[in-house]
Amino acid sequence: QKEVEQNSGPLSVPEGAIASLNCTYSDRGSQSFFWYRQYSGKSPELIMFIYSNGDKEDGRFTAQLNKASQYVSLLIRDSQPSDSATYLCAVRMGPSDMRFGAGTRLTVKP
Amino acid sequence: GAGVSQSPSNKVTEKGKDVELRCDPISGHTALYWYRQSLGQGLEFLIYFQGNSAPDKSGLPSDRFSAERTGGSVSTLTIQRTQQEDSAVYLCASSLGTGPSQPQHFGDGTRLSIL
Repeated sequence: QKEVEQNSGPLSVPEGAIASLNCTYSDRGSQSFFWYRQYSGKSPELIMFIYSNGDKEDGRFTAQLNKASQYVSLLIRDSQPSDSATYLCAVRMGPSDMRFGAGTRLTVKP
Repeated sequence: GAGVSQSPSNKVTEKGKDVELRCDPISGHTALYWYRQSLGQGLEFLIYFQGNSAPDKSGLPSDRFSAERTGGSVSTLTIQRTQQEDSAVYLCASSLGTGPSQPQHFGDGTRLSIL
């Protein structure tokens, strides 16, 4: 079982819709959870992080964490074509131990 | 402010040659990480430096790979006797610390191509 799993996609949503990206992780001791966006040929850029159960909102983005289910998600409201990218879920399991999922490719169609 | 800086941005070299990749972290960031990303793949952890502590080298794929960090700032990743399977984007990241709320900030990477 992979330590951090994401649906590779591609996930396609129409402009203005809500995009829902999901991630599961295997280590119950994981401390914090990060979402990065990576445009093709570019480096990952941090969108947001969460480490408490529940929801965390930042503009059009909402991260949701359920530690009991070992599940973290990212919702993008009012999706825009510029949101089209690969979204990486990262799980911090220790000081030096950040594990990344393979990413979900999102396409927002105008 | 300045982000994580990596050089060169692209490197093409022949199989068997040694290469050196450089990373200049964000000023004040004590933690520095190297990752490798192959085409269409996730990030593969290579090595981690934190302050003056011994580095975590557990992700280095072979003894051809080594890294150092001088003065707690700039880091170089060296690959000796390069092989074609070493072709990838090498990403460096730094963070202010290693607490749960400390995210990693990435440089633009070095795209390495081995002919």
